[in-house]
Amino acid sequence: GDSVTQMEGPVTLSEEAFLTINCTYTATGYPSLFWYVQYPGEGLQLLLKATKADDKGSNKGFEATYRKETTSFHLEKGSVQVSDSAVYFCALSDPTSGTYKYIFGTGTRLKVLA
Amino acid sequence: DSGVTQTPKHLITATGQRVTLRCSPRSGDLSVYWYQQSLDQGLQFLIQYYNGEERAKGNILERFSAQQFPDLHSELNLSSLELGDSALYFCASSVGALAGKETQYFGPGTRLLVL
Repeated sequence: GDSVTQMEGPVTLSEEAFLTINCTYTATGYPSLFWYVQYPGEGLQLLLKATKADDKGSNKGFEATYRKETTSFHLEKGSVQVSDSAVYFCALSDPTSGTYKYIFGTGTRLKVLA
Repeated sequence: DSGVTQTPKHLITATGQRVTLRCSPRSGDLSVYWYQQSLDQGLQFLIQYYNGEERAKGNILERFSAQQFPDLHSELNLSSLELGDSALYFCASSVGALAGKETQYFGPGTRLLVL
């Protein structure tokens, strides 16, 4: 079945460092891919998404490119801030499978130090 | 603020009891989704309703049930509660039924503690 694998956390970086959080997926069809962010004590918020191969999603300085050949959707940011400290979830949804379900990765906690 | 509201924010109950969690979607959204977030299982999709009808089912236990009412709010009923049901329960909503193409907006969650 469909699945999402994220890198284990926590990831601890200094402010202004470069961020990469790896995400790979397995899907039978042509999924859409998402990154959600969860700040402490809050629900999840959509950060960015890509609905087809080679699409690049971007928002708030974060980027991720849908790579079909490597089945990956890695999240990157050039210069992180303390306010980026949160848990980041990679997710997929594969309407072609007929289930319309979202499948989330386990989440990666990011901690940015001043 | 996502526009999705959930009540109550916190719930403490005992094993064997039954609770009801409530969710009001964003104005105009027809789909409601329920998720369970626990430390050992991560974020698990439970069930989706679209305009009052069940649309998709995930890893929802038989002890759990949900419904969506004509005013589009939804309730998740959890019965015969066990310690392992302690978790954060999130509701999300979207405009239409196709989860794959649409953004889901999440509520702040209900934290359930079963003692």
